[in-house]
Amino acid sequence: NAGVTQTPKFQVLKTGQSMTLQCAQDMNHNSMYWYRQDPGMGLRLIYYSASEGTTDKGEVPNGYNVSRLNKREFSLRLESAAPSQTSVYFCASRTRALGGQPQHFGDGTRLSIL
Amino acid sequence: DQQVKQNSPSLSVQEGRISILNCDYTNSMFDYFLWYKKYPAEGPTFLISISSIKDKNEDGRFTVFLNKSAKHLSLHIVPSQPGDSAVYFCAASGKSGGSNYKLTFGKGTLLTVNP
Repeated sequence: NAGVTQTPKFQVLKTGQSMTLQCAQDMNHNSMYWYRQDPGMGLRLIYYSASEGTTDKGEVPNGYNVSRLNKREFSLRLESAAPSQTSVYFCASRTRALGGQPQHFGDGTRLSIL
Repeated sequence: DQQVKQNSPSLSVQEGRISILNCDYTNSMFDYFLWYKKYPAEGPTFLISISSIKDKNEDGRFTVFLNKSAKHLSLHIVPSQPGDSAVYFCAASGKSGGSNYKLTFGKGTLLTVNP
């Protein structure tokens, strides 16, 4: 009954370091998403993968890269971390990128960049 | 430009009373609207949704109303319970590039239900 699993849950980085956030879902969903949430802000879409083998930019993609490793896994990479990337990162998945299909979220990765 | 707005950052109600959370949107191409609830240190969880062809959808204590002409929707929780205390996000779904739908979220409203 895992749903969407994100690792790690917490991480502290120094400016310039690189890091990959991992996300895996066990619901056989086709579409996966990465969001960031900052204080006083809603969730902002970074990148998404509508189906295995495809990825597209969202609202705030600069400074990030993604990989849809297989149907289950979708990773987010920070190549050179900056303090502005301090945030809570959420991964989500849903059956398909259609209409009102709800997204299912992981519990987030809290990332601090010093 | 914020396409989905939740103008009340917080709302406080008494247990047993009605909670009404509001949401406004600007993009008339949105065709589904969803509400999510979020507890601290957890991910958002889906609560209820409504298609743009409907004006009301009900699920137990939760009802969502949609007024397309006003580009406004609201979530009613009756009766409110202390366990409902959480941040509520309004989200709108619309096509973005080809046939893929993406969600656009509001900033959220913190609901506190007092015993």
